[in-house]
Amino acid sequence: KAGVTQTPRYLIKTRGQQVTLSCSPISGHRSVSWYQQTPGQGLQFLFEYFSETQRNKGNFPGRFSGRQFSNSRSEMNVSTLELGDSALYLCASSWGTGAQEETQYFGPGTRLLVL
Amino acid sequence: QKEVEQDPGPLSVPEGAIVSLNCTYSNSAFQYFMWYRQYSRKGPELLMYTYSSGNKEDGRFTAQVDKSSKYISLFIRDSQPSDSATYLCGFNKFYFGSGTKLNVKP
Repeated sequence: KAGVTQTPRYLIKTRGQQVTLSCSPISGHRSVSWYQQTPGQGLQFLFEYFSETQRNKGNFPGRFSGRQFSNSRSEMNVSTLELGDSALYLCASSWGTGAQEETQYFGPGTRLLVL
Repeated sequence: QKEVEQDPGPLSVPEGAIVSLNCTYSNSAFQYFMWYRQYSRKGPELLMYTYSSGNKEDGRFTAQVDKSSKYISLFIRDSQPSDSATYLCGFNKFYFGSGTKLNVKP
């Protein structure tokens, strides 16, 4: 079974630009969660989508947004990029319901550098 | 006080040593406990999952949960150089420790 895939793997942007990252979950998984990982703050939860609806949200500004499509693929968008947005962005997928729903499988991440 | 505290390390041990990794937490709502391993330039990989106090063993790995003390541990027996990675504790799906970097020397 194919794992979680993320594209692109690397991105360089300048301040003020916007960026869109993509995530394809494991087949059959309906929940996709997004995280930001930095050396200083660690792994921080952005939001979770389940069946095309945002189900949970972390404590990030509105510049960070996401969506999920009917095939469970998800995108996240960051508008008006700031230097502090430089990070590894990870998505993770899970079944979305049922036993052990808390277990999730991470993709390799998209490394974003904002100059 | 942060909800999750995890010693960042780095922790350096010789091959074959027993490794103990720990996290403390303050949120009583945490009921599910995970350990992830993250190699450099990779996403975290789920190692252990448990929801009850006590020990859970899987090969060389043992996860220990003490809900009364709000303390979880991961023990690695007979550590190998391939265990060199960052280990993150996870709680209730969305909450994580900052990770402990482990280096196992041959």
